[in-house]
Amino acid sequence: KAGVTQTPRYLIKTRGQQVTLSCSPISGHRSVSWYQQTPGQGLQFLFEYFSETQRNKGNFPGRFSGRQFSNSRSEMNVSTLELGDSALYLCASSLGDRNQPQHFGDGTRLSIL
Amino acid sequence: ILNVEQSPQSLHVQEGDSTNFTCSFPSSNFYALHWYRWETAKSPEALFVMTLNGDEKKKGRISATLNTKEGYSYLYIKGSQPEDSATYLCAFLNRDDKIIFGKGTRLHILP
Repeated sequence: KAGVTQTPRYLIKTRGQQVTLSCSPISGHRSVSWYQQTPGQGLQFLFEYFSETQRNKGNFPGRFSGRQFSNSRSEMNVSTLELGDSALYLCASSLGDRNQPQHFGDGTRLSIL
Repeated sequence: ILNVEQSPQSLHVQEGDSTNFTCSFPSSNFYALHWYRWETAKSPEALFVMTLNGDEKKKGRISATLNTKEGYSYLYIKGSQPEDSATYLCAFLNRDDKIIFGKGTRLHILP
């Protein structure tokens, strides 16, 4: 069974640009969550999508948005990039029950110049 | 403000020794606690999902306990091996659908 796939693995952008990251969950998983990891911080929850609907949202500005498609694949978009957006972005999929563990992808390393 | 603390931040353990570390979380509105292992250059891997006060889970040489009344969970590793070197993360989930990760305990096994 294929794991969670995130693309691209690395990305370099400049301030003011926008970026879209992609996440393909494990087959059969309907929940996809996105996290941001910056040095010295724990994983910060961005949002969760379940059956194409945003089910949960963290405390990030509106520049961070996402969506989920009918095949459960999810995209995350960040507009008007800032230097502080440089981070590792992880997505995780699960069956949707919060008693189930999440399965993480390898992440996208985003660097803002 | 919901806060999840993991201690220690970093730990060096001699191969063959046993060790443990702590995850502290709010003792109210508890729903579940997850433990993950994150090896360098890999993705976080789920270890345990714990939901009931007094839960004890075991996976090989690794085990975990849960105390929801006082808000802590311990992770134990028996007979540490080099492959146990990783960052161990806990995640607290509450009944308001919040999920908060701790910053992790970085474990180094010394040969």
